[in-house]
Amino acid sequence: DAGITQSPRHKVTETGTPVTLRCHQTENHRYMYWYRQDPGHGLRLIHYSYGVKDTDKGEVSDGYSVSRSKTEDFLLTLESATSSQTSVYFCAIAQGKATEAFFGQGTRLTVV
Amino acid sequence: GESVGLHLPTLSVQEGDNSIINCAYSNSASDYFIWYKQESGKGPQFIIDIRSNMDKRQGQRVTVLLNKTVKHLSLQIAATQPGDSAVYFCAENLGTSYDKVIFGPGTSLSVIP
Repeated sequence: DAGITQSPRHKVTETGTPVTLRCHQTENHRYMYWYRQDPGHGLRLIHYSYGVKDTDKGEVSDGYSVSRSKTEDFLLTLESATSSQTSVYFCAIAQGKATEAFFGQGTRLTVV
Repeated sequence: GESVGLHLPTLSVQEGDNSIINCAYSNSASDYFIWYKQESGKGPQFIIDIRSNMDKRQGQRVTVLLNKTVKHLSLQIAATQPGDSAVYFCAENLGTSYDKVIFGPGTSLSVIP
C-alpha cells in the first residue's frame, strides 16, 4: 500500500468529542490528502497538504482541521465530532501535482 | 447485466468474459483521468491513467478508452477473474494539482464463477 499507514483503523466516538486521525507515510511524498467516502458519493476532499506546514481546504472542510509538522505525518482533527461525520476516511499521498495518488487502508469512524 | 442499485450501479459478468465499465466525466477541460479499483474494506488502488491527448491506453489485461467528444471514459477488463470483483471508479483532474480531482461514485463489478 505504498507505505501509507492510517491509525486508528476503526473508531467509535461520542458526539461532541474531539477526534484525531493519523496518516503516516514512508515514501517522502510531498502531497498528502484527506478524503471521506460515503455511500452514493465519490471520494470528497477534506483538506490537503503540499508540504510541511502548508495546508489548504478541500470541498468539505467544515468541522475539520489538519496539521503537518513533518513530511511523513498528516493529522486530521474533528474538533467536536457530529453524527454527519460518520464516514470512512482515507489518506492519500502523491509525488507530484498531477500524478496518481496512492491511498491508505482507511479509517472507519462512527460518531454516536 | 447492469443495474442501478440504491447507491452504486452494478455489473455482473461471467468469469472469463470481458468487462466494460463506463464513466461520464463532467468537465471538458479535464486533462488527466484515472481508474481506481477498491476492494471491500480496502483503500482505492490505482489501475491505469490516461491523458487527454490520448484516446486509448493499455495495461495488463486492462484498456482505458477516452472519448472527449462525449466526455466518456471506459475501462475494459479482459478475461475477467473472481479477483476483479470490486468497485471501480474513475477520476478526472480539472487542473494541474491533485486537489482539483473529482471522483465518480463508482460501479460495483461482480464476477460470477
